[in-house]
Amino acid sequence: DTGVSQNPRHKITKRGQNVTFRCDPISEHNRLYWYRQTLGQGPEFLTYFQNEAQLEKSRLLSDRFSAERPKGSFSTLEIQRTEQGDSAMYLCASSPPPSGGPVLPDTQYFGPGTRLTVL
Amino acid sequence: AQTVTQSQPEMSVQEAETVTLSCTYDTSENNYYLFWYKQPPSRQMILVIRQEAYKQQNATENRFSVNFQKAAKSFSLKISDSQLGDTAMYFCAFRWDYKLSFGAGTTVTVRA
Repeated sequence: DTGVSQNPRHKITKRGQNVTFRCDPISEHNRLYWYRQTLGQGPEFLTYFQNEAQLEKSRLLSDRFSAERPKGSFSTLEIQRTEQGDSAMYLCASSPPPSGGPVLPDTQYFGPGTRLTVL
Repeated sequence: AQTVTQSQPEMSVQEAETVTLSCTYDTSENNYYLFWYKQPPSRQMILVIRQEAYKQQNATENRFSVNFQKAAKSFSLKISDSQLGDTAMYFCAFRWDYKLSFGAGTTVTVRA
């Protein structure tokens, strides 16, 4: 297992277009998180899944944002009608269940991120 | 709401020297986790060290150690014998329940 993967790594789009990002968590990690990071700032929480259930959405996640995690495996984050203010790095993280084996429980492991630029 | 404050936007250190990064947080919770993450210029966030609030002993990972002062809500990171590869943005993070709250980060530059 090589860690959390995210695709694409970079996305440039025009304002008003829809974009979709994918995150593949570490195998057997049942928890998956999305964060957004703007330049020079720390990541901000967007949403969280436990298995296939989306348990919380931040107020940062407007109606134009939707996230899914079908079958509790990979997750997608879609942004509709993109705006220039959506330009950011979108980070995905995963963590194991509390009884989670050799890795540290309650610790989130991050992917490389998808950098979105909205022109 | 939990808030995390990193008061040092930038720090510079000579190779092989020691640097300490500060972090304070605000919470009314008693059981929580604290983390330091490193984000090199390639921008992959990497876990450096973690501390459980119920443990009094300060965590140590090789050249990285923390000074956890629960009453003062302080969680500083000490990097000993700094190496060029330590150059990165360092984020302090607080975890209660499931989500992480991050500070604004401290950019650490190690000079040769």
